[in-house]
Amino acid sequence: DAMVIQNPRYQVTQFGKPVTLSCSQTLNHNVMYWYQQKSSQAPKLLFHYYDKDFNNEADTPDNFQSRRPNTSFCFLDIRSPGLGDAAMYLCATSMTAYSNQPQHFGDGTRLSIL
Amino acid sequence: AQSVAQPEDQVNVAEGNPLTVKCTYSVSGNPYLFWYVQYPNRGLQFLLKYITGDNLVKGSYGFEAEFNKSQTSFHLKKPSALVSDSALYFCAVRGPNFGNEKLTFGTGTRLTIIP
Repeated sequence: DAMVIQNPRYQVTQFGKPVTLSCSQTLNHNVMYWYQQKSSQAPKLLFHYYDKDFNNEADTPDNFQSRRPNTSFCFLDIRSPGLGDAAMYLCATSMTAYSNQPQHFGDGTRLSIL
Repeated sequence: AQSVAQPEDQVNVAEGNPLTVKCTYSVSGNPYLFWYVQYPNRGLQFLLKYITGDNLVKGSYGFEAEFNKSQTSFHLKKPSALVSDSALYFCAVRGPNFGNEKLTFGTGTRLTIIP
């Protein structure tokens, strides 16, 4: 089945130690998103790629970066994780940027900061 | 700016009874509305959407939602609840414009089905 895959499912890192989360998709969708979700709250959009075009949300901290080397893969880099960055990180895709397209989510990576 | 309100943090329903999870929205122009479900330690799973046409939309797992333009609501419903329906439900809205990629979520409603 075509899907959105996030690795690892659980990630533990130390305060200030850079960490990278990965997302891959077999849906061949043009748009890929990264969300942060804390304690069953609504997901908060960090940024998205429309093809290779990067779109950052205004309130996303500079500590968060992203790379999309090809259609299938997208990475979330946290340069210096703080305790407040502990959260579930969700990757999602959509076929196009048309608003009527649903987003397809991976199962997330739960990040813990020691 | 677009917004979504889910007025109930928690909804409890007895198994076999009908369930309703409420959602109201605010957006400029015609809305695109979505319902997602999230099970513990999982991502969000798309249930259904309203784009245009029939106000009653049917989705996965027997869920349906009714779009009401005058009340700006999009309530999620199911005729007979199952214990396996227990999860966190999110309503979401997008504006009608191409490139308006941002999906605005409500705060979520935790649905518990009591055996």
